[in-house]
Amino acid sequence: GENVEQHPSTLSVQEGDSAVIKCTYSDSASNYFPWYKQELGKRPQLIIDIRSNVGEKKDQRIAVTLNKTAKHFSLHITETQPEDSAVYFCAASYTGNQFYFGTGTSLTVIP
Amino acid sequence: GAVVSQHPSRVICKSGTSVKIECRSLDFQATTMFWYRQFPKQSLMLMATSNEGSKATYEQGVEKDKFLINHASLTLSTLTVTSAHPEDSSFYICSAREPRGTSTDTQYFGPGTRLTVL
Repeated sequence: GENVEQHPSTLSVQEGDSAVIKCTYSDSASNYFPWYKQELGKRPQLIIDIRSNVGEKKDQRIAVTLNKTAKHFSLHITETQPEDSAVYFCAASYTGNQFYFGTGTSLTVIP
Repeated sequence: GAVVSQHPSRVICKSGTSVKIECRSLDFQATTMFWYRQFPKQSLMLMATSNEGSKATYEQGVEKDKFLINHASLTLSTLTVTSAHPEDSSFYICSAREPRGTSTDTQYFGPGTRLTVL
């Protein structure tokens, strides 16, 4: 089955700086890679996703890059704000099948 | 985006009792729903895939006789934790995926159910 690894487990940045979270996956058949943000005690919220036919996708301060050859993808948050503080999860799946989540990254943005 | 609800949000029960958790897709039909379990400060662990009108597919290590899943309609899946014990205490989250043929593979998550077994 798919195995998704995520690093770092915790990340602290100063407000305004950038944050980068990296994930690797094992199954080359995986073709859909979403990123979720989860605040304490709440549901995961989709923040951005990317499919395997695209190398990069941006949405305002958030971007995701995908390297299919190396089987890794990364989340980039620029101009971080305190409200970006949360746990972020990457996931990998194959065409609508089950998601396999990474272990999560707890991001703290220091004002 | 699509909305998924879950009920109850919190439940406390005695050891040995059974608890049913409902997951509903409110504004779309979900042929497939997923059930996850999340321990504090840990990731979401997929328990099972629930398909409307058929038996659920359980992940390795998940006891199907303990965690009963029923997906009786395109908008409702239920998870029943049978003979619950304290080690079953956890945050249970469901998600729903829109049917194939729609524009996304995205899963929409419910708000979760906090189960505490005394």
